[in-house]
This record gives sequence, C-alpha cells and structure tokens, in this order.
Amino acid sequence: AQSVTQPDIHITVSEGASLELRCNYSYGATPYLFWYVQSPGQGLQLLLKYFSGDTLVQGIKGFEAEFKRSQSSFNLRKPSVHWSDAAEYFCAVGSGYSTLTFGKGTMLLVSP
Amino acid sequence: GAGVSQTPSNKVTEKGKYVELRCDPISGHTALYWYRQSLGQGPEFLIYFQGTGAADDSGLPNDRFFAVRPEGSVSTLKIQRTERGDSAVYLCASRQTGGDNTGELFFGEGSRLTVL
Repeated sequence: AQSVTQPDIHITVSEGASLELRCNYSYGATPYLFWYVQSPGQGLQLLLKYFSGDTLVQGIKGFEAEFKRSQSSFNLRKPSVHWSDAAEYFCAVGSGYSTLTFGKGTMLLVSP
Repeated sequence: GAGVSQTPSNKVTEKGKYVELRCDPISGHTALYWYRQSLGQGPEFLIYFQGTGAADDSGLPNDRFFAVRPEGSVSTLKIQRTERGDSAVYLCASRQTGGDNTGELFFGEGSRLTVL
C-alpha cells in the first residue's frame, strides 16, 4: 500500500530564512510525487510535481523539491520564505492513473 | 467551467439526516475523485470515477456513503443517516486522462459539512 509521512506537524520559520519541509513515501513502483499548498478556507493548490526526468523540480512561488529514490524522499525547499507562504503543505504520492495518497500535512508559520 | 466547482460550500445538518454534496469538474476531465479532510488531517480518499463508473470505491467508510456520476460529468456524494463523525470538509478533484495526464489532481474549494 502506498503511504506518505510528513514528520513535522508544525514548522516556524523567520521571514527571509530558508525552508525545508520533509516528505517520505512508500510506493511499490516509480512514484508520481506532488506538493500541494492549502491556505485557510481554500482548496488545494499544486506547487510542483515529479513524474520522470530531472530529480530536482521547480514549482510556483519559488519552491523546489528533490526526488531521492534511495531515501524515498521528496523534500520541499524554498531559499527565502515570505509571510504569504504561511499555510499548510501536503505531500502526495500516486501512479498518475489512480488515486493520490496524501500525508497529514505540515503547518508553516512565518514569524516577522 | 474554469475550475472544479462544489456546492454547497457549507452545510449544517442534524444527526440522522440525509445530505447531498455536488461536484462539477473541469470540462473534459473524465476522472473525478472525492476526498474527505477532517480537522488537522490530510485529505483521505473516498472514491474515484473514470467516466460514469466508480473505478475505486475502497475509501468509502461504510454503506451510508454513496456517490454517483450518471452522465460522466457532475457527481453527487450522498450521505445517509449522518453522524457527528461525518463532520469534515469534502473535497472533489478532477484529472485529465490520456496523453497529457501527469497525475495532477485539480481540487475544488470543498464542502464543509457540520453534523450537529
């Protein structure tokens, strides 16, 4: 069965500091991997996705993520966080042809 | 439409009542998904439609939950004899199929269900 672990429930980062959100997955084949962001009262918005090719993928809003097969990880990074990045972030895994399985999310708080 | 549309955005009902939640996917998306998101949790899969048929309904928690998509577009999630534990945000998503599919799900803003 596929699963996603996001070990950090909450993370607080100072505005302008760098950010890394962790994601580990379990999947029986080559995974499709995604990061979504959810602001309060909003739907889920895709930040970036990996399904083949270069293991470092760039997304919207200055985010990037690196697929590391040997570590079963797909960590999300941003070099300089803005206050508007405060939201909940979800990592997800799937095959591209069936369901996506989501992690429980990491809530990002940005301090001034 | 331009995005996935869900109605109602908020629904408050009493324990034991019947509820319907509607989803209108992105035009041309043949795959449609229902997820449930409880407070402090990630989205949990309920059911997935490919066209009119349910390709995977393994996430439906029990037989009080049912979903249909009779014409392969709009879908309705139906909950009978609602319980307080059914309170959650119900998310609908759709996806392209065919050669352009990269697995991305496009989500609506959700229907928040509160069972008193």
